[in-house]
Amino acid sequence: DADVTQTPRNRITKTGKRIMLECSQTKGHDRMYWYRQDPGLGLRLIYYSFDVKDINKGEISDGYSVSRQAQAKFSLSLESAIPNQTALYFCATSVYHGDNEQFFGPGTRLTVL
Amino acid sequence: QKEVEQDPGPLSVPEGAIVSLNCTYSNSAFQYFMWYRQYSRKGPELLMYTYSSGNKEDGRFTAQVDKSSKYISLFIRDSQPSDSATYLCAMEETSGSRLTFGEGTQLTVNP
Repeated sequence: DADVTQTPRNRITKTGKRIMLECSQTKGHDRMYWYRQDPGLGLRLIYYSFDVKDINKGEISDGYSVSRQAQAKFSLSLESAIPNQTALYFCATSVYHGDNEQFFGPGTRLTVL
Repeated sequence: QKEVEQDPGPLSVPEGAIVSLNCTYSNSAFQYFMWYRQYSRKGPELLMYTYSSGNKEDGRFTAQVDKSSKYISLFIRDSQPSDSATYLCAMEETSGSRLTFGEGTQLTVNP
C-alpha cells in the first residue's frame, strides 16, 4: 500500500461548490503539506502543519482552509471553488532528521467549471 | 520575479547523452538544495540533496551548487529512456523549513 494516499484522485466540480481533498499517511511523519501544481508556476505551498496543533499558511492560502484531524490525516478545503483553482494538488509529508525529504502523494486533479 | 527560475524545456536528447539541468535563484539565504524527479501522473520524489556549495555524485547523477553565482545544476550521464520525467529543483533557507520549488524541466530521452 502507498505510504501517502490522496482522495479523490480526480474531481470535477462547479464554481461555488465546497470541496474537500483528503490526505492520509502511514509513514508516521509529523509534518504534512499541501501544494498545488500549475503549468509555468511549478509547485506552490498552500498550507503546512508541523504537528497536530500547528497550522501555517503557505505562499497561496487565500481561498483554502485545512484541518489536521490526526497525525496521519490532513485535509484541504476549497470553501467556494473558482475556475482558477483548477490544478493538480499534492499532499506531502516529512520528518526532520537532517534533511527535509518530502514524500508526495499521487496527486488529485481538480477541475472547477 | 520568481525566487527560483528553471527553464521548463521541453528537453529531448538521445539515449546515452549527458543531460544538464539548471536553476538560478535570487534568495542568498538558501543553503539546502534538492532535485526532485516527477514521472507522469505521479508525485515528485527526492533524487539528490546537497548542502551549500560543491558537488555531490550518486551513480549517474551529479548535483552541483555554486552559491556565489546562485546557480545549481543536475547532470545525468549515460541518460536512459527511464530518465524521462520532469525534474524540479527545490531549495530552503534552513534544514526543515519551507521548500521553494522551480517550475520543473520536462526531459525526454529517446531510445
